[in-house]
Parts: sequence; C-alpha cells; structure tokens
Amino acid sequence: DTGVSQNPRHKITKRGQNVTFRCDPISEHNRLYWYRQTLGQGPEFLTYFQNEAQLEKSRLLSDRFSAERPKGSFSTLEIQRTEQGDSAMYLCASSLPILAGDRNEQFFGPGTRLTVL
Amino acid sequence: AQSVSQHNHHVILSEAASLELGCNYSYGGTVNLFWYVQYPGQHLQLLLKYFSGDPLVKGIKGFEAEFIKSKFSFNLRKPSVQWSDTAEYFCAVNVGGADGLTFGKGTHLIIQP
Repeated sequence: DTGVSQNPRHKITKRGQNVTFRCDPISEHNRLYWYRQTLGQGPEFLTYFQNEAQLEKSRLLSDRFSAERPKGSFSTLEIQRTEQGDSAMYLCASSLPILAGDRNEQFFGPGTRLTVL
Repeated sequence: AQSVSQHNHHVILSEAASLELGCNYSYGGTVNLFWYVQYPGQHLQLLLKYFSGDPLVKGIKGFEAEFIKSKFSFNLRKPSVQWSDTAEYFCAVNVGGADGLTFGKGTHLIIQP
C-alpha cells in the first residue's frame, strides 16, 4: 500500500497524559498536513510542513499541540496534557510539490481516533 | 480568512435520482476548490478539483461540479445516483495552492435502493 499511513489508528488515554501520533506520507510527497475532525464537522487544518520546515503553525489549537518532521519524511503530532475536548479524529495528508502540477491535491490517511477519558 | 458553507447536512435520495449538493465559499480572491468524499469506513478521497480554466469540472464516478465565480459557488452534481454513492461529501477551498484546506461541515448522503 503506497498511500498515507497513520499510527496508531485508535488511542485511548486519560486526561492529563501526553499522546503522540505518527504519519508516513506518500514517498515522493514533500508537503505534509495535519487536520483535526470532530463529530459532525469537516476537517480543521492545524499545520503543515514542506520537507522538514513547518511553514504554518498558527492554526495549532493551543500550545499543548506541537508537530515535527525532523528528516522531511514522517511526521509526529504531540498533544500534551490531554483534555476531554481533544477527543477527535486526527488526519494527516500529503501532497506533491506545487511545481509538479496538480496543485495541492492532498491525499489523506485513515486518521487516528483519540479518546480522552 | 476563507470559510465554506454546505447547505444540506443530510440528503436522502432514491437510486437514479439526480443529485445537487450546494457549496458556497467566502473569499474575494483566487481560490482552489475541491470536493472530497468519505465512504463508510474509508478515508477521504478526492472527487474533483478546480484550479482554473473551464468552470465545469468532471471527476470520478460520474460526478461534476460547476464553479460560478459571481455566486461564490461550487456545487456538486450527478445526473443519476447509485446506492454506492452513500457517503459523506465535503467541499473544501484553499488560497495560494500550498496552504491547508478549509472544509465545509459536510453533507451526509444516503441513497435508498
């Protein structure tokens, strides 16, 4: 399978714990995006990377949220001191460089469903 | 900041009926427009996209959408739906090509056999 993969697929944690999710993009894609989706809503953009550079992070929901992409390949999204309101589906997407055409067609992974008890 | 409005949150149709799902966006400049679909148990996948050129775009599985700039709309259509079209449909927009997408709340479409 050469699509975007995310791990774990499900995470249950207790309030106050830290969690980390991983996203592996399609191999030739240099752009990687994180979204959050809550019930009854469309995905909400959080942050994105071009290679290892984080080009937009003002949309991260609070300073408890952080993301990294240290080698320009996989990325991690960490939530510190989780709260019940963080329960949601966390989606990752990737896309080709814009100059390659098909501007910003983003390919989505299956998501990580987080439940905070 | 841009926003996307999808007018119908739940739509129920019979097989062979025609479909039109509304999508309006708010942004005065050049936008890129998308429709994504999420079938039950599957991840989001792209149905069609508009960047420039012919405002009538055709996507996969017989879907099409028309960009009407004066109305800030990008409605999705299909002349004859099938039971397998049952899914959640999301309209999305972005500005400048590289940034994240702004999604609407989605339309849950149920096709009755």
